[in-house]
Amino acid sequence: QTVVTQEPSFSVSPGGTVTLTCGLSSGSVSTSYYPSWYQQTPGQAPRTLIYSTNTRSSGVPNRFSGSILGNKAALTITGAQADDECDYYCVLYMGSGIWVFGGGTKLTVL
Amino acid sequence: EVQLLESGGGLVQPGGSLRLSCAASGFTFSSYAMSWVRQAPGKGLEWVSSISGSGSNTYYADSVKGRFTISRDNAKNTLYLQMSSLRAEDTALYYCAKDVDPVPRGPSYFDYWGQGTLVTVSS
Repeated sequence: QTVVTQEPSFSVSPGGTVTLTCGLSSGSVSTSYYPSWYQQTPGQAPRTLIYSTNTRSSGVPNRFSGSILGNKAALTITGAQADDECDYYCVLYMGSGIWVFGGGTKLTVL
Repeated sequence: EVQLLESGGGLVQPGGSLRLSCAASGFTFSSYAMSWVRQAPGKGLEWVSSISGSGSNTYYADSVKGRFTISRDNAKNTLYLQMSSLRAEDTALYYCAKDVDPVPRGPSYFDYWGQGTLVTVSS
């Protein structure tokens, strides 16, 4: 069974830069998995940040960027702000209409 | 304005059934694939099922295959999830989400989400 891995938690200082990653329990993440990233604040529905590895969704600030770093997909936040403190989820396309979400990363800005 | 409004959640006993609905508006419903994504209390997101815009193709996570059925009525702009043989681990907030393409594929992603409907499976 495919497991998509994310750091359970991460901390960043206000104004700092943080990179969250999205990996596979077996194998490497490539652009062929079309990684996308979603942001979720408590009590709210998810919001699309990044799709197809590195394309920002409409209205997303350019301090959010996506990439492939080594064998993982990555979400980098440059100049972190207090309201970036929330949960971040990656999802990978496995083919045949199947998606698998990562377990999510709880980001703390302090 | 795109709106997705889920309904049908509630308390159900283990082994029971429930049908969720998602009423869509603000876009040409039949032109886009739709999905259900769930979130257990305090847990992460889990993709459950998707259906193509025409309704001809359906896709399921292994955890629900054989127990859940996704369908849509394009005349009513409504997405459904028929859930049967429910288990305690199916307890979650169920979101419907709109795809950007008519058929789920790699470059697709979920661009709009509803607010969810809560399903609790307990005796």
